[in-house]
Amino acid sequence: AQTVTQSQPEMSVQEAETVTLSCTYDTSESDYYLFWYKQPPSRQMILVIRQEAYKQQNATENRFSVNFQKAAKSFSLKISDSQLGDAAMYFCAYRPPTGANSKLTFGKGITLSVRP
Amino acid sequence: DTEVTQTPKHLVMGMTNKKSLKCEQHMGHRAMYWYKQKAKKPPELMFVYSYEKLSINESVPSRFSPECPNSSLLNLHLHALQPEDSALYLCASSQLGLPNEKLFFGSGTQLSVL
Repeated sequence: AQTVTQSQPEMSVQEAETVTLSCTYDTSESDYYLFWYKQPPSRQMILVIRQEAYKQQNATENRFSVNFQKAAKSFSLKISDSQLGDAAMYFCAYRPPTGANSKLTFGKGITLSVRP
Repeated sequence: DTEVTQTPKHLVMGMTNKKSLKCEQHMGHRAMYWYKQKAKKPPELMFVYSYEKLSINESVPSRFSPECPNSSLLNLHLHALQPEDSALYLCASSQLGLPNEKLFFGSGTQLSVL
């Protein structure tokens, strides 16, 4: 079974600084998809970024980028120029490549606070 | 319209009550999902509908009964719930249910069972 591990329950970053959130996963699949979702106090889960395992290039979305290390099964999220609105719970997630019946497996999440 | 709308936002019910949660999307998505989320925990998948057919049931107790009347609407019927069922219930949708797709989430229904 696939597992997703986020070992840091909480992190804090100064506004305008850079922070990296860690995630590791375990799978026997060679092809799969990885995601970071953000859940602010409004509770609505929002996709931050996604990565296809067959792509070697790390995904980037504006201030958000990932460091995808397939051999190490590591998928960390870097947030640059942190803003107050980045304060939220962040979930790393894994999904295998088998269509609608493939489950999205979430890590336990990390609470990020941003200091003004 | 890129929203998933859930109603009600809050619900308090007794253990003998029957209630329903409603989820609606008008993005033409053909996959819809129910998740349960306890405070400070990750969402747990309950059900997946693909093209209005139930494709995943994660061994959810029968007191939770999902229904997908059409491609835009997803209901979760609740009956004889237990206090431990108190949680945030999130609905999500995706275009075709493919594994690389973004899930669009609603803001959830906060359920309290007394």
